[in-house]
Formats: sequence, C-alpha cells, structure tokens
Amino acid sequence: DAGITQSPRHKVTETGTPVTLRCHQTENHRYMYWYRQDPGHGLRLIHYSYGVKDTDKGEVSDGYSVSRSKTEDFLLTLESATSSQTSVYFCAISESNRAYATFGSGTRLTVV
Amino acid sequence: DQQVKQNSPSLSVQEGRISILNCDYTNSMFDYFLWYKKYPAEGPTFLISISSIKDKNEDGRFTVFLNKSAKHLSLHIVPSQPGDSAVYFCAASEGNEKLTFGTGTRLTIIP
Repeated sequence: DAGITQSPRHKVTETGTPVTLRCHQTENHRYMYWYRQDPGHGLRLIHYSYGVKDTDKGEVSDGYSVSRSKTEDFLLTLESATSSQTSVYFCAISESNRAYATFGSGTRLTVV
Repeated sequence: DQQVKQNSPSLSVQEGRISILNCDYTNSMFDYFLWYKKYPAEGPTFLISISSIKDKNEDGRFTVFLNKSAKHLSLHIVPSQPGDSAVYFCAASEGNEKLTFGTGTRLTIIP
C-alpha cells in the first residue's frame, strides 16, 4: 500500500535462525503495529509502537522483539525462529491508537 | 479469550443479493468498531467504522449496524458484487486502546 512497505515479501528460514522483518512508512504516523495472520485466529497483535523507542507487547509477543529507532522504521525480530512462527506478518500504521490502521502487503514467513 | 468473534468462517451469496456478515463481542467497554476487507496476497483495507453512540453507519453499498444490548455488529452489502469476494474482519477498541480483531469471514459472491 502507498506509504507503507514491508520487506522481504517472502522468506524461508531454518529453525533456530534469527530473522528480522522490516516495516517502513512515509506517512509520519505515530503508531506502528506488527500482526500475524493465521487460519482460525484472524489477526493477532504481536507488538506495537507509539513513538520512537516506545514499544509495548501485544497478545502474542513471546518469541518476538521489536525496535523503532526512527519514526519511519519498525523492525520485528524473531531471535530464534520456530515452526510455530510460520505465518503471514502484517505491519500497520495509524495516526492514533483508535484510528483505523493502514496495513502493508504482508510478509510470508516459512520456518522449516 | 476471544473478545471479538466471527462465528461464520465462510459465506456464499448470489450476485445482486444482500450479504450480511456478523460479529459478536464480549467486552461491553468497546466503543469503536471497524470492518476491514482483505484480498489474497494483500493487506487488509479499512472499509467502514461505527462509534458506539450510533447504531447505524452507511457508506454506499455498505452499512454497519450496531446492537449494543446484544453486543452484536453486522455488515450489510447491497447489492453484492463479484469484487466483494474477500475475507472480512471486524475489529473493536475500548477508549484509546488498540484494536482487537475477529477471526474473519470469507465471503464468496456467486455470479
């Protein structure tokens, strides 16, 4: 979507390896989010950020860490990937926590 | 505990007819509700929202109804078109808290 890009779009990695997904925005929105989408679970929040260096956990944060050193970039790191982390990951941005969020196109991650 | 539930994983509707997607929630403090639409290999896109001070909001072919006493939200699409085939997510928030999403309903419009 215009204003928000995710990289990579697809990634296959081995169990136990570290993985970093990147979200980049050009909208200067304060809030950024990482979600994962899994069949039967919908969209679940992993972590979110409400400003540079300000982050908080979502409902499925175990095994993930995030960093936001600049307004425009929000990184999601899997320190040691597991097969249960195979999923589609979406980044989203919004002007406030309550406003509707704009989503990126997603990253399909496969852990083998 | 799933606070926002979409109990129908899938729905098929004839083109031109009305599509009704349902969503139930358990948190009575939710005061803002949204619907998102998602095509394969794309991110969800915002469709329509409603505040708890209203019971209906309309935008073209899309209308969202809110029944606070029943803790029930529905999205009506009239008339349904083939391009409406997608997965629809409802979401809710309390105050300034982050959104909680449902599990989604896959809508298929039959030509």
